[in-house]
Amino acid sequence: EDKVVQSPLSLVVHEGDTVTLNCSYEVTNFRSLLWYKQEKKAPTFLFMLTSSGIEKKSGRLSSILDKKELFSILNITATQTGDSAVYLCAVEAGRGSTLGRLYFGRGTQLTVWP
Amino acid sequence: DGGITQSPKYLFRKEGQNVTLSCEQNLNHDAMYWYRQDPGQGLRLIYYSQIVNDFQKGDIAEGYSVSREKKESFPLTVTSAQKNPTAFYLCASSRRGAYNEQFFGPGTRLTVL
Repeated sequence: EDKVVQSPLSLVVHEGDTVTLNCSYEVTNFRSLLWYKQEKKAPTFLFMLTSSGIEKKSGRLSSILDKKELFSILNITATQTGDSAVYLCAVEAGRGSTLGRLYFGRGTQLTVWP
Repeated sequence: DGGITQSPKYLFRKEGQNVTLSCEQNLNHDAMYWYRQDPGQGLRLIYYSQIVNDFQKGDIAEGYSVSREKKESFPLTVTSAQKNPTAFYLCASSRRGAYNEQFFGPGTRLTVL
């Protein structure tokens, strides 16, 4: 069964809207939660979250982690057409020889219309 | 420029043939990973390697094989035993251990005819 669940799977908005993407997880030996943006090919790294309640921010993007409720959100304010992409959530979990491996959700396809 | 390269970008294969996908990195990373991505799916881990001459199976290793003879290189062979090999394959690398983001190559799109 899926260890990392993202919602919604697809989202269509207009430029200027604010969106919230969700990621819930259920893993043992949790280490961190990562967000990636995938436009056409290679996913590019956005954030790594390790502590609850501490917001990470980069321009119009921000993210926060709740380790008690096992979820994270990614917010994008004042969306632009260039934000159109698949946003992937990944959870790092494991120990010993499995340290560093990531479990990915299915992604949220965000489309921003002009 | 440091980064990860994958070749070829597109690959066509006939059923029953083995094919090898290349992945090279010059980031001096110890760990390397192979993922498969299908439409509407996230990334699924095929194999990973934390150090030269050692690798572990991921969640969908059946029908695939790898080698890690050099730190910079982690080739993936898709064998004829893989039932549904048509997919987008992504290679990644990272520093060894926890709390290190993975950096991805541009991917190889494999189509079986």
